[in-house]
Amino acid sequence: AQSVAQPEDQVNVAEGNPLTVKCTYSVSGNPYLFWYVQYPNRGLQFLLKYITGDNLVKGSYGFEAEFNKSQTSFHLKKPSALVSDSALYFCAVSPMNRDDKIIFGKGTRLHILP
Amino acid sequence: DSGVTQTPKHLITATGQRVTLRCSPRSGDLSVYWYQQSLDQGLQFLIQYYNGEERAKGNILERFSAQQFPDLHSELNLSSLELGDSALYFCASSVGSSEQYFGPGTRLTVT
Repeated sequence: AQSVAQPEDQVNVAEGNPLTVKCTYSVSGNPYLFWYVQYPNRGLQFLLKYITGDNLVKGSYGFEAEFNKSQTSFHLKKPSALVSDSALYFCAVSPMNRDDKIIFGKGTRLHILP
Repeated sequence: DSGVTQTPKHLITATGQRVTLRCSPRSGDLSVYWYQQSLDQGLQFLIQYYNGEERAKGNILERFSAQQFPDLHSELNLSSLELGDSALYFCASSVGSSEQYFGPGTRLTVT
């Protein structure tokens, strides 16, 4: 069965330090993978996606994610965290070309400490 | 601004009542998704429409229904409301299997 896991409910990082938000998935065939961010009282915003090609995907606000097929992971990273990065982050996965099968992780709350 | 609009922004109603939430997708997007977000349940997928037809169904209660109209806007109808239906309801739209664009949400409070 298809699934996506974000193993950490919350991640705390000091401003200026690198950050990682973890995501692992299980899907039949090749996956489409997405990261979204949600700021308080706002809808989710698309950050980046992996469809095919280079395993390192760059997205908005300096974020990037690395697709690792052998570890079925798609961790979100940023080299230097900003306080304004504090938000709720969602990983999502779907089988290739199956927009009717997308599922979201439960979210990871990222706190950047000044 | 994602280009997806939702009305109303806030809705307060009593138990047992019925409400309708409205969503207009981004121009050109044929797919519309509805989600419910509550503190204890996270983001729950409710239902997806594609070009007027139901395409996928998630954890949508029988008291809830939705439709997508010829102009591609969508409505989510919630009836016999219970206190536990209080949540944020999001609509999102997309082109095919690409990323989704979310509206600002409707905050429903059932008293």
